[in-house]
Amino acid sequence: DTEVTQTPKHLVMGMTNKKSLKCEQHMGHRAMYWYKQKAKKPPELMFVYSYEKLSINESVPSRFSPECPNSSLLNLHLHALQPEDSALYLCASSQGQGKNTEAFFGQGTRLTVV
Amino acid sequence: GENVEQHPSTLSVQEGDSAVIKCTYSDSASNYFPWYKQELGKRPQLIIDIRSNVGEKKDQRIAVTLNKTAKHFSLHITETQPEDSAVYFCAASYSGGYQKVTFGTGTKLQVIP
Repeated sequence: DTEVTQTPKHLVMGMTNKKSLKCEQHMGHRAMYWYKQKAKKPPELMFVYSYEKLSINESVPSRFSPECPNSSLLNLHLHALQPEDSALYLCASSQGQGKNTEAFFGQGTRLTVV
Repeated sequence: GENVEQHPSTLSVQEGDSAVIKCTYSDSASNYFPWYKQELGKRPQLIIDIRSNVGEKKDQRIAVTLNKTAKHFSLHITETQPEDSAVYFCAASYSGGYQKVTFGTGTKLQVIP
């Protein structure tokens, strides 16, 4: 199984809503990532979890709150978002054991904030 | 931090011709250089990667070269096909327990049948 699965595929939310994005992998990877991708731009790193601990927060606003309940799951909790937060949110995972190995991306959640 | 520049931003080639995309990086500590292909509305997918202890790597019609001294690396696609049309991102990262991958700005490749 070389899949990273993200749900939902599409999400429309109001600025006062609270929602969560979910990501799951069963490849035994110990590093998991959230990226944000705007149209015609490269993915931008938001958070990195290594062995279920938050290792990198790229100065992301607190309205985005990551969570790693276990080694297979990664969540991104959303609250009070702004229309400019509309983007494709990509989850990725990699082996994360001191080697540079391939990062596998999920299909992404296309988020629209209205 | 790392900065990756990528050129050109758009590239149109005739089917069967070759395409070359070039990237430069700034951090000499970077030692892993993946290339991703992203079709419209889909996820980035790794097409080839190279590590800093290797100067060139080839996989069928795709090859990547790395010049550590000059801090640049290139993607070469030969015998291009319409299905090669996509956005290509180069990236650079530093080894560790996880990858902090910095992406280039992307190249939109159009292969004209």
